[in-house]
Amino acid sequence: SQTIHQWPATLVQPVGSPLSLECTVEGTSNPNLYWYRQAAGRGLQLLFYSIGIDQISSEVPQNLSASRPQDRQFILSSKKLLLSDSGFYLCAWSATGRNTIYFGEGSWLTVV
Amino acid sequence: QKEVEQNSGPLSVPEGAIASLNCTYSDRGSQSFFWYRQYSGKSPELIMFIYSNGDKEDGRFTAQLNKASQYVSLLIRDSQPSDSATYLCAVKGGDGSSNTGKLIFGQGTTLQVKP
Repeated sequence: SQTIHQWPATLVQPVGSPLSLECTVEGTSNPNLYWYRQAAGRGLQLLFYSIGIDQISSEVPQNLSASRPQDRQFILSSKKLLLSDSGFYLCAWSATGRNTIYFGEGSWLTVV
Repeated sequence: QKEVEQNSGPLSVPEGAIASLNCTYSDRGSQSFFWYRQYSGKSPELIMFIYSNGDKEDGRFTAQLNKASQYVSLLIRDSQPSDSATYLCAVKGGDGSSNTGKLIFGQGTTLQVKP
């Protein structure tokens, strides 16, 4: 069966510091991968999606970036965090050609 | 702007009752519809999906889709306190893009099931 893991689960970072969230998927090949953000009182917002290694699309202009160095690894980064980057970040995957997505455990980011 | 609308609630129902959660969407070309459950502080988990008009049943859950009215609902029969959570409606737009999980989510409806 397929599993998805992301880490760290929680982090508190000062404004201006860098960020790296990592996500891996097991039990499947060539998945589509996604980063969503859920800010307080707001719905889930798609940030990035990837259909393959080094194939990443950005949905929302921001100071975040994503990379996919390996088939089942997806990384969300920032060089300098803003207060508005606080939120619940969710990595997700779907099988190639399928719409159904499955979420990882999520990472709570608080920028102070 | 493609939108998915849900009443934020809270929707409060007594234990054993039927909970009815509703969702409307703006993109008439939408093809796939999903319901996720999210417990407080946790990530969303898929409950069920529906592609065709009509009803789809899975255990205590029934999804209903009416594309003409751009309306999708989730019924929970015999509601239990453990069903208390936020329910997210998600829609895959009909934008002609390849099949990916680029879903548009509503803000969710909070359900409270009281013993």
